[in-house]
Amino acid sequence: GAGVSQSPSNKVTEKGKDVELRCDPISGHTALYWYRQSLGQGLEFLIYFQGNSAPDKSGLPSDRFSAERTGGSVSTLTIQRTQQEDSAVYLCASSHRYTGELFFGEGSRLTVL
Amino acid sequence: KQEVTQIPAALSVPEGENLVLNCSFTDSAIYNLQWFRQDPGKGLTSLLLIQSSQREQTSGRLNASLDKSSGRSTLYIAASQPGDSATYLCAVALFFAGTYKYIFGTGTRLKVLA
Repeated sequence: GAGVSQSPSNKVTEKGKDVELRCDPISGHTALYWYRQSLGQGLEFLIYFQGNSAPDKSGLPSDRFSAERTGGSVSTLTIQRTQQEDSAVYLCASSHRYTGELFFGEGSRLTVL
Repeated sequence: KQEVTQIPAALSVPEGENLVLNCSFTDSAIYNLQWFRQDPGKGLTSLLLIQSSQREQTSGRLNASLDKSSGRSTLYIAASQPGDSATYLCAVALFFAGTYKYIFGTGTRLKVLA
């Protein structure tokens, strides 16, 4: 597509439920990133996919968080047994292979009640 | 370890002023530097990308410069408008073994008063 697409834009869930957030990167971008941004805070790196290589999961805050990328394109971030501290905006980005320019989606705002 | 700092954290100016936002980084071995704008509750919008071999980039009323030797970049906004109110972030890209890693500053929150 023309830009990075994320869904849902807004998700309200109850504590303990599982949620899935989806990201569709720019066509042809082999690198995909997930970040988290809590209210009034900076960007927190979560996970990075590059082509068919093993993902860099070093930023995932706990084993309740996981992500996959199917067919080198769409990615899903899954949060199991959500906690209130998981409430944040989850941002997905993809980067141009040669220039390294980073493009972000509009984010998925997660609220855990 | 690469660290990126943005000063000031917040800035309030009257409409029409020219202003400069600052970004500092500790390690000059960067691949590129990118400036973003973030409106409340939204994602980041890319404004300007400066490759490590470049000194500046311009887009409309925006001009970004890069001085790798001193570890600094500035974003110059000419004739500011209320619509420029947003948080501005800079990020440096590191490139190693075929992968990019991005280090973000904490941003400058700009308010342009009508």
